[in-house]
Amino acid sequence: GAGVSQSPSNKVTEKGKDVELRCDPISGHTALYWYRQSLGQGLEFLIYFQGNSAPDKSGLPSDRFSAERTGGSVSTLTIQRTQQEDSAVYLCASSLARQETQYFGPGTRLLVL
Amino acid sequence: DQQVKQNSPSLSVQEGRISILNCDYTNSMFDYFLWYKKYPAEGPTFLISISSIKDKNEDGRFTVFLNKSAKHLSLHIVPSQPGDSAVYFCAALNQAGTALIFGKGTTLSVSS
Repeated sequence: GAGVSQSPSNKVTEKGKDVELRCDPISGHTALYWYRQSLGQGLEFLIYFQGNSAPDKSGLPSDRFSAERTGGSVSTLTIQRTQQEDSAVYLCASSLARQETQYFGPGTRLLVL
Repeated sequence: DQQVKQNSPSLSVQEGRISILNCDYTNSMFDYFLWYKKYPAEGPTFLISISSIKDKNEDGRFTVFLNKSAKHLSLHIVPSQPGDSAVYFCAALNQAGTALIFGKGTTLSVSS
């Protein structure tokens, strides 16, 4: 079946601009996660959504970052006023439920010039 | 402070031999661990997991060992194949079950 999909696959933007990254989870998966991987680093948790519950935003690095999940399916991660240190690969994952195995999408490579 | 550590950035192994990738963690409350494999320009792919109620889990050529007293786990790949060449990430599920905490990864190179 179809896996997690993310768009765009690559994004180049100028410092100070806003960007939106999209994630389509696996159909039927109620839990959705965003991570990012900076150069030479492991994956860093950003935010978690589970059904209609309030999201766990504890990993968001600043108030410039926000995410929403509409209709319990597609999610959008928004970064406002991008900075060069936001350059990273942003990865989305989904799982059947909390504590189940997470399956990752291919990521969006963001470069802030 | 890193809660999950992979102290070897890279490992080189010959085809057919065993690859052993190591991972240490600091939080004794972690009770579920996973290994992911990542090829360049792709997302991580789930390989194998282990719960703290076990000390070993096996799936084909992949075996994960957990030593709770040492807060250490390892992934064994036997026999190693060139297609196994990738970055391997160790991860622990946080106590709330809402996030994976990853190590920085070990790059495995298997030569033929």
